[in-house]
Amino acid sequence: GENVEQHPSTLSVQEGDSAVIKCTYSDSASNYFPWYKQELGKGPQLIIDIRSNVGEKKDQRIAVTLNKTAKHFSLHITETQPEDSAVYFCAASPPAGGGNKLTFGTGTQLKVEL
Amino acid sequence: EAQVTQNPRYLITVTGKKLTVTCSQNMNHEYMSWYRQDPGLGLRQIYYSMNVEVTDKGDVPEGYKVSRKEKRNFPLILESPSPNQTSLYFCASGLGGTGSYEQYFGPGTRLTVT
Repeated sequence: GENVEQHPSTLSVQEGDSAVIKCTYSDSASNYFPWYKQELGKGPQLIIDIRSNVGEKKDQRIAVTLNKTAKHFSLHITETQPEDSAVYFCAASPPAGGGNKLTFGTGTQLKVEL
Repeated sequence: EAQVTQNPRYLITVTGKKLTVTCSQNMNHEYMSWYRQDPGLGLRQIYYSMNVEVTDKGDVPEGYKVSRKEKRNFPLILESPSPNQTSLYFCASGLGGTGSYEQYFGPGTRLTVT
């Protein structure tokens, strides 16, 4: 089955700096890659996703890039703010799951310091 | 308010005592899913359902049962809980690919099996 590795496990940045979280996946057939943000005591919430026919997607301060050849994708957060502090999870979904069978990475604890 | 609700939010039980965690959504979503979250392991999918009476295994289905008799409800059943099922459980729902694969997560159920 699919295996997703996520790095780093913890990331500390100064407010206003950029943060990058990287994930690699094992199943070359996977075609859907979401990113979820989990605030303390809450369930995860989708912040951005990308499909395999697209190389990059942006939404304000957040962007995701996908390299299908290398089987890795990354989350980029620019101009970080204290409210960006949370745990971020990447995930991958194989075609058979239709985007609904998700394998998650192990998470990155992002801390934005004032 | 559109939401996914889970009950109970906290549960302490003993090995072998059958339990059910309920999940309900009011968004008329086709898709529902259960995950467990463990430190260092991220989120792992237990079961998911694309529609009433249709369920599929995720990555860690052993020791769990689900049923989807109604569109809005997707209970998770542990027939004989064991200590290794101590975890934080999340239910999620979504459109299931009709335009979006976004999953909406509930607040979580923290289960302790002694």
